[in-house]
Formats: sequence, C-alpha cells, structure tokens
Amino acid sequence: QVQLQESGPGLVKPTQTLSLTCVVSGGTILSSNSYWTWIRQPAGKGLEWIGRITSSGSANYNPSLKSRVSMSVDTSKSQFSLRLSSVTAADTAVYYCARAPRGGNSGVFDFWGQGALVTVSS
Amino acid sequence: DIQMTQSPSTLSASVGDRITITCRASLTVSDWLAWYQQKPGKAPILLLYKASTLQSGVPSRFSGNGSGTEFNLTISSLQPDDFATYYCQQYNSYPRTFGQGTTVEIK
Repeated sequence: QVQLQESGPGLVKPTQTLSLTCVVSGGTILSSNSYWTWIRQPAGKGLEWIGRITSSGSANYNPSLKSRVSMSVDTSKSQFSLRLSSVTAADTAVYYCARAPRGGNSGVFDFWGQGALVTVSS
Repeated sequence: DIQMTQSPSTLSASVGDRITITCRASLTVSDWLAWYQQKPGKAPILLLYKASTLQSGVPSRFSGNGSGTEFNLTISSLQPDDFATYYCQQYNSYPRTFGQGTTVEIK
C-alpha cells in the first residue's frame, strides 16, 4: 500500500519560504488514479486543506493561500513538494501530505504521512 | 467555502456506550462527506466516505448516515481504542473543508 513521508526544515523565519517534500513509496507517484495533497493542522486546532497536485503537475490550491502556495512533482524521485512563501507565525502547524484517489471519491484522503511540524519563528 | 460544523465539540462517554456525532454543512454537499479519526500526535485515519461507506479495515461498529447538509457518525458500542477526535470533511466542492472536530473522552 501507499506510504508517504514528509521532510523539511522544522524552523522557518518569518517572511521566508516554507518548503516541504513528501516521498511516496509502495506505489508509483505516476499513478493516474491519485491526487497528491497537502493538509495542515495548527496545534490544538482543526485541519486545513492546502491543495493538491497530479503527477502531470496540474494543481488546485485553497483560495485562502493561493497567492503564497505552489506545489510541484518530481516523478523521477517519486516525490511532491510544497512551497509557502511569506510565512508568519500563523503558518506554524503540522503539515501532512496525503493521497486522494481519483474518481467519484477524489476528495477523500485514504493514505497520510506521519506529519511534519513546522514552526515559524525568528 | 462550505463551512462544516460539528456537535458536540466534546463528548464524554463510557466503554460500551452508543454515541452519535453530528456534522452540518453550510451548503448542500450531497453525500460527498467523509469521517476521520485522529489520535494525539498521529495523522487522521479515514473511517467512512460517501457519508455511509465504511473504509476497508474499519470496524463495523462505526456507521454514518445523512445527505445534503446534515450527517451523523455513530459508534454502536464504544471501545477503549475509540477515544479520539473525529472530523467530518466535505468533498463536494473546493476548497475541501473539515469540521472543527469532536473529542470523545472517557467519562
């Protein structure tokens, strides 16, 4: 089954860019039946969908973050990435990568990474 | 964005209890509704999708119903492993949105 693992700096300074990578194993990121997704969760709070990307690089972003977020896919390394620019303390959260299956239930997240805590602080 | 509101925010219950969590959407989401369970320090786990379809491997004591704007998650007989936070999530439209969560705690 699909396994996902996030990686990246745990501390980012305000105004800088947060960068995270999610490595996909146990399946191929080239799979045409998957959307690769980022979700975040501030400490003690709920879940926020950041956006998703396909293996061909087509992306959808949450309008609340759209001006600051970008996602990319590197199929040769079986990984996809998140970049969030101009970060503030409000971007401090656990960031999860997840998979959503294509088809009728394309908005369901059936496989998740363990999460990566990113703290925005000077 | 479609707002998802769960009630109650916290639920105190005992092992063996039958409990129900409600999720309301600000606009209709048809039956494009999922439920997740999350334990502290862990990623959420998908329990149900399409309002009432049990994800593979999830115990049958979990069930869901509803359509349109009102949905329920029921645990028929609460087990020690079920004390956790539960989230509903709509996938009828973008952006995908989650409820604020319901924490099921030991009474």
